[in-house]
Amino acid sequence: EIVLTQSPGTLSLSPGERATLSCRASQSVSSSYLAWYQQKPGQAPRLLIYGASSRATGIPDRFSGSGSGTDFTLTISRLEPEDFAVYYCQQYGSPWTFGQGTKVEIK
Amino acid sequence: QVQLVQSGAEVKKPGSSVKVSCKASGGTFSSYAISWVRQAPGQGLEWMGRIIPILGIANYAQKFQGRVTITADKSTSTAYMELSSLRSEDTAVYYCARVNYYDSSGSYAFDIWGQGTMVTVSS
Repeated sequence: EIVLTQSPGTLSLSPGERATLSCRASQSVSSSYLAWYQQKPGQAPRLLIYGASSRATGIPDRFSGSGSGTDFTLTISRLEPEDFAVYYCQQYGSPWTFGQGTKVEIK
Repeated sequence: QVQLVQSGAEVKKPGSSVKVSCKASGGTFSSYAISWVRQAPGQGLEWMGRIIPILGIANYAQKFQGRVTITADKSTSTAYMELSSLRSEDTAVYYCARVNYYDSSGSYAFDIWGQGTMVTVSS
């Protein structure tokens, strides 16, 4: 089973700042099979990025994904108030697995 | 626009079973896989298994093998997740999610989620 480790656990930033979230896999993951989700309290997760770098429908272009192999990154170029949430990476394999999440909180 | 609507909250006794439903409306159901994911209070996301309704084939995470059964009824566009031998650690929100395949990148991702069903296991 591929283990995904996200860092940092918590990111304290101000609106307008840039957020860089990391997701490291225990073994190589096909870029096609890496996704990112956003989850706000009391809500279901929302798909942000699939295929490591493709934005899902309706996702603003301030969200971008990159990476390959074992290292992947989600970048939020300028944080908006609604972006403060928990973010999860996920890989498609056997089984699907999620990272433990990174919380982006208001500083 | 496809929506996934799940059944309501459940309170169960240890050792019992729970069956959660996930009904798709507004679009095609059978040709997409449906996955089940759970989230314990204050914890992360955990994949449990999936079913491809058009084939009726289900796969399960090893952790849940023997305790979980995922089924689908194409006639009602509804998927089900049944978890047996419940224990307190199974207290969680259970989500269903549609697994979409993106031709352009050969990618899979969970693009539509149900609203979640809270299952509480308590004596």
